[in-house]
Amino acid sequence: KNEVEQSPQNLTAQEGEFITINCSYSVGISALHWLQQHPGGGIVSLFMLSSGKKKHGRLIATINIQEKHSSLHITASHPRDSAVYICAAENFGNEKLTFGTGTRLTIIP
Amino acid sequence: NAGVMQNPRHLVRRRGQEARLRCSPMKGHSHVYWYRQLPEEGLKFMVYLQKENIIDESGMPKERFSAEFPKEGPSILRIQQVVRGDSAAYFCASSPGTGTNEQYFGPGTRLTVT
Repeated sequence: KNEVEQSPQNLTAQEGEFITINCSYSVGISALHWLQQHPGGGIVSLFMLSSGKKKHGRLIATINIQEKHSSLHITASHPRDSAVYICAAENFGNEKLTFGTGTRLTIIP
Repeated sequence: NAGVMQNPRHLVRRRGQEARLRCSPMKGHSHVYWYRQLPEEGLKFMVYLQKENIIDESGMPKERFSAEFPKEGPSILRIQQVVRGDSAAYFCASSPGTGTNEQYFGPGTRLTVT
């Protein structure tokens, strides 16, 4: 069973700050997913990555397979980035996702 | 191309009633996943289905819960004889099933059991 841990659980930052959210998992995976859950509850898939780095706008996701660790970065953070960010590990052999508990991000204007 | 659709968005049931939650995957997607998010808790996998097949139901409670994804029509998550502890947000996601497992989430159904 894969254990997925995120840190920090809560993060408050000023607008414009560089944000880093960390995710570690215990068992080798086929892919790591980053999701964003808005205050209204809807979930958006941000990234799915199995190696290296991906970038979309101000969001960057990296993964280190050897260290079983992934990070999500937000550059030039904005209040609209305020949400819960969730990482999820996809195990080899099946497509089931194991989720972290989420990081609640609040960006203050 | 419409996204993943779920209905109803909000569902209120009394203890003992049945709840039926529907999920229409994105066009061209043949894989459906159901997840549950209990209040103040993280998402938990429930079941993974392909058309007419349950692939993995290891996250489903053993009793009262069932899921199907028929050849035609939406996927259905059915909860019989609901109890207060079933109150949660139920999300479904779909993926194309070929080449990528990127999952697209629906807006969720918020079930409240009174």
